Amino acid sequence: DAGVTQSPTHLIKTRGQHVTLRCSPISGHKSVSWYQQVLGQGPQFIFQYYEKEERGRGNFPDRFSARQFPNYSSELNVNALLLGDSALYLCASSLDGSSYEQYFGPGTRLTVT
Amino acid sequence: QKEVEQNSGPLSVPEGAIASLNCTYSDRGSQSFFWYRQYSGKSPELIMSIYSNGDKEDGRFTAQLNKASQYVSLLIRDSQPSDSATYLCAVKGNNDMRFGAGTRLTVKP
Repeated sequence: DAGVTQSPTHLIKTRGQHVTLRCSPISGHKSVSWYQQVLGQGPQFIFQYYEKEERGRGNFPDRFSARQFPNYSSELNVNALLLGDSALYLCASSLDGSSYEQYFGPGTRLTVT
Repeated sequence: QKEVEQNSGPLSVPEGAIASLNCTYSDRGSQSFFWYRQYSGKSPELIMSIYSNGDKEDGRFTAQLNKASQYVSLLIRDSQPSDSATYLCAVKGNNDMRFGAGTRLTVKP
């Protein structure tokens, strides 16, 4: 069975640009969460979506936004990129909004120059 | 005070020994706790979840939870070199999941 998939794998952007990251959850999972992980730290929660609705938001600026589609896939958008946005962006899927066991995708490595 | 604290390590144990990884959390209302393993350059992999006080065993792994002390631990028995990784403790908050910075474990042959 396919696990969580994310695209692209790697991305290089310039300061001020916009980026869109994509995630497809495990088949049958309806909830997607996004995390940012910088080197040496644990993942930091950005958003959780369930049934296309935002269920939780972490302490990130409004430059970060996300949405979930009817097929439960999700996009994370980041506007006006800063050097500090360089990180590994992880998507995690879970069965539903009340299931807390999350399974991570391989991540998207974003480098902002 | 960090919400989820782990000793960053590195923790080094010989092959076959028991590795003990510890985690404390600040939110007394937390009810759900998780351990993830993360190999270098890879994404976190769920190892264990624990929701009730006491021990939960799964193969060579045992998770221990003490809500009164706000303490979670992971024991790895018969440690193998393939267990060398960073172990992340995660605690479910109201609408988010909070991770510690991780403990780097090295198992020496």
